[in-house]
Amino acid sequence: AQSVTQLDSQVPVFEEAPVELRCNYSSSVSVYLFWYVQYPNQGLQLLLKYLSGSTLVKGINGFEAEFNKSQTSFHLRKPSVHISDTAEYFCAVSRRSNDYKLSFGAGTTVTVRA
Amino acid sequence: DSGVTQTPKHLITATGQRVTLRCSPRSGDLSVYWYQQSLDQGLQFLIQYYNGEERAKGNILERFSAQQFPDLHSELNLSSLELGDSALYFCASSPSGRADTEAFFGQGTRLTVV
Repeated sequence: AQSVTQLDSQVPVFEEAPVELRCNYSSSVSVYLFWYVQYPNQGLQLLLKYLSGSTLVKGINGFEAEFNKSQTSFHLRKPSVHISDTAEYFCAVSRRSNDYKLSFGAGTTVTVRA
Repeated sequence: DSGVTQTPKHLITATGQRVTLRCSPRSGDLSVYWYQQSLDQGLQFLIQYYNGEERAKGNILERFSAQQFPDLHSELNLSSLELGDSALYFCASSPSGRADTEAFFGQGTRLTVV
């Protein structure tokens, strides 16, 4: 089975400052890795995903994440946040298969202040 | 707008009752997934269907059942409801159901059991 640990439950950050959200995963098989964002009162939206190849993955809205196999981590970063980035962020993992059984972390709430 | 439609948006019902949540996937998507989001359990995968057939099963209680119809819409049936079933239920869809493709989430149905 796969599991995900998001190391920070809440991250307050000032506008235009950088932010990093930490995610570690555990799995006995090869996995795909994802970051989703949930804005207030909305569904989840895919920010980016790691399938294979380059360990630095770029996503939407200026986010990027780096896959580190040795540390089993997939941390999400943005160099300069906006008020509109206030949301909950979920790291997720799925085994490489024909099903889409995502295992999510507990989520990190990012609050951007002016 | 993800293109995934869930109805109703809100549902309030009493313990012991039965409810049906409905999901219309994006046009052309053959696979549908159901997730439960609650404060204590976080985001949990329930079940996946592909072109009418069950493909993967997660932490779905025996009191819960789902199906995908020939027109590809899906319904999640929750019976003998308990207070602990109160949660946000998400439906997602994807074209192939494979883990390397993006799943698009609906805005969810918020179920409150009183």
